[in-house]
Amino acid sequence: DQQVKQNSPSLSVQEGRISILNCDYTNSMFDYFLWYKKYPAEGPTFLISISSIKDKNEDGRFTVFLNKSAKHLSLHIVPSQPGDSAVYFCAASAGRNDMRFGAGTRLTVKP
Amino acid sequence: DAGVIQSPRHEVTEMGQEVTLRCKPISGHNSLFWYRQTMMRGLELLIYFNNNVPIDDSGMPEDRFSAKMPNASFSTLKIQPSEPRDSAVYFCASRNGGAGTGELFFGEGSRLTVL
Repeated sequence: DQQVKQNSPSLSVQEGRISILNCDYTNSMFDYFLWYKKYPAEGPTFLISISSIKDKNEDGRFTVFLNKSAKHLSLHIVPSQPGDSAVYFCAASAGRNDMRFGAGTRLTVKP
Repeated sequence: DAGVIQSPRHEVTEMGQEVTLRCKPISGHNSLFWYRQTMMRGLELLIYFNNNVPIDDSGMPEDRFSAKMPNASFSTLKIQPSEPRDSAVYFCASRNGGAGTGELFFGEGSRLTVL
């Protein structure tokens, strides 16, 4: 039962353009959402998070948007850089207990 | 500070053999998670512990899988007997549940291949 879904397995964008990664969830109890970035042969690393009381959180080139009514969140990267090429995982937590991840989206930023 | 430490990094074994994966969480963290990464399901939660107590093991695929956390600095994930479909990368992660952003810190993973 996939409670967190990333329906796009891959995304390719040109350097300097915007990358938009999407994520949907089904569990209305989720109140904390995170994005992780993963390079090959490494563990995922935390990128940015958002609480359910907010609809936007920004950190440099990275912005996460949350639409609770649609149970949807997205990660915007502007401008995209070749070093951003990685697999991005969306994750969600209910009451800071367990944390569920999506299947990941592989982002490729072309120079 | 040392991060989450997993061993072995790579394990190749034959079907039917016992496999034990090990994890040392970050000192002071009181929650520990085991995940399995596959192409189809991404990062799949197997089990997590709070204060060394298993809280939710509903993600453990079968009775062949078991996990223990005998103390705050060590956990094991055991597969007995192993099967080819268990081949995956297994990640351990820890978190300080009482402070911070609630993010998980992951180890580098243990890549398991069952022949």
